[in-house]
Amino acid sequence: GDSVTQTEGLVTLTEGLPVMLNCTYQTIYSNPFLFWYVQHLNESPRLLLKSFTDNKRTEHQGFHATLHKSSSSFHLQKSSAQLSDSALYYCALSDRGNQGKLIFGQGTKLSIKP
Amino acid sequence: NAGVIQTPRHKVTGKGQEATLWCEPISGHSAVFWYRQTIVQGLEFLTYFRNQAPIDDSGMPKERFSAQMPNQSHSTLKIQSTQPQDSAVYLCASSLDVGQGVNYAEQFFGPGTRLTVL
Repeated sequence: GDSVTQTEGLVTLTEGLPVMLNCTYQTIYSNPFLFWYVQHLNESPRLLLKSFTDNKRTEHQGFHATLHKSSSSFHLQKSSAQLSDSALYYCALSDRGNQGKLIFGQGTKLSIKP
Repeated sequence: NAGVIQTPRHKVTGKGQEATLWCEPISGHSAVFWYRQTIVQGLEFLTYFRNQAPIDDSGMPKERFSAQMPNQSHSTLKIQSTQPQDSAVYLCASSLDVGQGVNYAEQFFGPGTRLTVL
């Protein structure tokens, strides 16, 4: 079945350093929709980024990601971490393109230190 | 726009009791999804409805969990004979339907119901 893998459970960084959170996926669909959701403490998940176009960079709120179908990857990056970026980040795959259920990775907790 | 509404926000039950969780989707949204979140398992899909019809319940534990959507303004998730392993945050999300100029339907999550089974 479809699956999403996030290899890091916890990433701790100093403010100002670059961020990279890894995400790889497996799916039978040739046109997958990939997402990054962010969940701050005591809040519900909200959409940060989405993509369904191969090799096209998508950006939002200083974060960016590029869907690479050749490597089944959708890594999240930011050039300079801020304290407010501390949160739980989930990579997710939609199982029916643009309208299916979301299949989430295990999540990566990002902790930014001053 | 009040967003997705979930009630109650917190529920404590004893082992073997029943728990019913409520979700009111965003007005005009035709799809409703239920997810469960725990520290160990992360976010897991349970079930979803589109235009009140059940579409996929592949994530639902078969024996004690059931979900309904009797009208377009609310959905319920019922857990019979609750067990300690059912303790989790249950999240409801809703989205528009694709088509009619909408090429992707973002899912908006409610605040969740924290269920604690003693």
